[in-house]
Amino acid sequence: NAGVTQTPKFRVLKTGQSMTLLCAQDMNHEYMYWYRQDPGMGLRLIHYSVGEGTTAKGEVPDGYNVSRLNKREFSLRLESAAPSQTSVYFCASSIETLAMNSPLHFGNGTRLTVT
Amino acid sequence: SQQGEEDPQALSIQEGENATMNCSYKTSINNLQWYRQNSGRGLVHLILIRSNEREKHSGRLRVTLDTSKKSSSLLITASRAADTASYFCAAFKAAGNKLTFGGGTRVLVKP
Repeated sequence: NAGVTQTPKFRVLKTGQSMTLLCAQDMNHEYMYWYRQDPGMGLRLIHYSVGEGTTAKGEVPDGYNVSRLNKREFSLRLESAAPSQTSVYFCASSIETLAMNSPLHFGNGTRLTVT
Repeated sequence: SQQGEEDPQALSIQEGENATMNCSYKTSINNLQWYRQNSGRGLVHLILIRSNEREKHSGRLRVTLDTSKKSSSLLITASRAADTASYFCAAFKAAGNKLTFGGGTRVLVKP
């Protein structure tokens, strides 16, 4: 049981390049999330999905697009990367809405550097 | 500023000692969660305490919640070198469906 799997683990981009971060979970969870983690700032929610075909904006959505491809997979796309997007990106999932006291399950992250 | 803020930012203790870290938040919440993050890995859920609970235990972990002071504490008893990690609190508010993470406490347990 792999849990939440993220690819790639590391990536270096030049300013203006695009890339897609992939996330897959095998726990049959309905809810999926993309966070970014920056030093001293905790995790900030970028976008999330409450089910297949649905997405919603989080706290810091600008510069990012997401797609909930199916129940298992949730992708994050940077169309034109900027140095401010240098960060560690985490995908997470939960079986129910957070309001039902459902904890998050995280992947191991993608470390992205934009030069 | 963040909903959840941890104190201290870093903690260094000897194996066998207890480690205590605190989390403060600003508005009323529905639950408060604690996560652990080992270096280079994702966060792992440790324990969730609901707003109507005051204390919760899980193995060597003890979490308290004081809603009047808007604060929570995580106690790790009889620490081990393997407890070396960063610990994050996350405060959940159902209105707005918002889970806000603090900046974390880095704990170093020396053998």
